[in-house]
Amino acid sequence: GAGVSQSPSNKVTEKGKDVELRCDPISGHTALYWYRQSLGQGLEFLIYFQGNSAPDKSGLPSDRFSAERTGGSVSTLTIQRTQQEDSAVYLCASRVGLSTDTQYFGPGTRLTVL
Amino acid sequence: DQQVKQNSPSLSVQEGRISILNCDYTNSMFDYFLWYKKYPAEGPTFLISISSIKDKNEDGRFTVFLNKSAKHLSLHIVPSQPGDSAVYFCAVNAGGTSYGKLTFGQGTILTVHP
Repeated sequence: GAGVSQSPSNKVTEKGKDVELRCDPISGHTALYWYRQSLGQGLEFLIYFQGNSAPDKSGLPSDRFSAERTGGSVSTLTIQRTQQEDSAVYLCASRVGLSTDTQYFGPGTRLTVL
Repeated sequence: DQQVKQNSPSLSVQEGRISILNCDYTNSMFDYFLWYKKYPAEGPTFLISISSIKDKNEDGRFTVFLNKSAKHLSLHIVPSQPGDSAVYFCAVNAGGTSYGKLTFGQGTILTVHP
């Protein structure tokens, strides 16, 4: 498909385990964002990648969260030693270049930490 | 400290009537405003946007109004249709070096009754 894809769609894990969430952006989009939506909350910015520039990590809630983007395409968000408050829907978005502000979102990964 | 607020968690309207969704923001430096629509189990989809140099932008049944002095944004849907039932998020872009990082409101659940 031509849209942003994310995997897995659902992830249930035990407290203390590490998880990896994957995002495949739209081909050719140079900007990639991660957001999360906790229950009853709006979307919260986590991290932003733009081309080969250093990522903007200002939204990461703790050092247990990290993300990388390999080859300027696929991105992986890693949460180490998961906590129950990490339970949320994690959304990835991509955008083409700097000239447009429209971000195209994937369907999200619903993470549940037991 | 929420920079973007959608004070109505839900709105219910009759098919054919106008839906008005509201959003308030705190920072006068924000220069680009967007509305996203979200269906269950899907990522948000871009709906309409407006730059701070304008006070109105229209796209079919959707019109966004910006009142900079009041720091208030609204989305009008006329006429409302049952398929418009979704969660609506307003989002703002601070511009400048914020790379299109969006700050979202908490969302308003719109229900359009046939």
